[in-house]
Amino acid sequence: DAGITQSPRYKITETGRQVTLMCHQTWSHSYMFWYRQDLGHGLRLIYYSAAADITDKGEVPDGYVVSRSKTENFPLTLESATRSQTSVYFCASGEIQWSSYEQYFGPGTRLTVT
Amino acid sequence: DAKTTQPNSMESNEEEPVHLPCNHSTISGTDYIHWYRQLPSQGPEYVIHGLTSNVNNRMASLAIAEDRKSSTLILHRATLRDAAVYYCILRDPLNGGSQGNLIFGKGTKLSVKP
Repeated sequence: DAGITQSPRYKITETGRQVTLMCHQTWSHSYMFWYRQDLGHGLRLIYYSAAADITDKGEVPDGYVVSRSKTENFPLTLESATRSQTSVYFCASGEIQWSSYEQYFGPGTRLTVT
Repeated sequence: DAKTTQPNSMESNEEEPVHLPCNHSTISGTDYIHWYRQLPSQGPEYVIHGLTSNVNNRMASLAIAEDRKSSTLILHRATLRDAAVYYCILRDPLNGGSQGNLIFGKGTKLSVKP
């Protein structure tokens, strides 16, 4: 399917478990992003990647790990899930040009940590 | 990044025009004005962006004040599908390097009545 997909769409896990959220885009965009969205905080950037093998921290990176071995994939791993990581996670991709920061967002993954 | 101020919520009637305001009194000369919207249970989607001149696309129009301290997103005929949270975001390509992430505020929740 063309576009940006996320899997799973819903996930329930227990505190302390490792969880990986997948993100795949078919546009070959250079940039990919992970955001989390919580009530009262809006969307916050966790990590981003400017190209394969290049990643950098965003606003709230603690407790998360990312990798980008291929342009089209950008998985997000919660190494030891905590209840505070219960959230909706959005992946996005885009090409950053001088005048345009158009990002394309996936449908989101709703993660519950019990 | 310069900050934006938007009303928390607005209401509109179906098939009527909607004017969504955004104040950005500290905007810099190189800040681009971007609008995104987030439909219920979906990821944000790009709507429109501009620098100084008014802009039109198939989704909406963006009217930018002459002093650029405010802008208005115009939906010419609101439909029920336009009910969403609308985000006004400033992005300066001269600052932040190639990071490219967007800083989302709380946006304006638009309700459309049939």
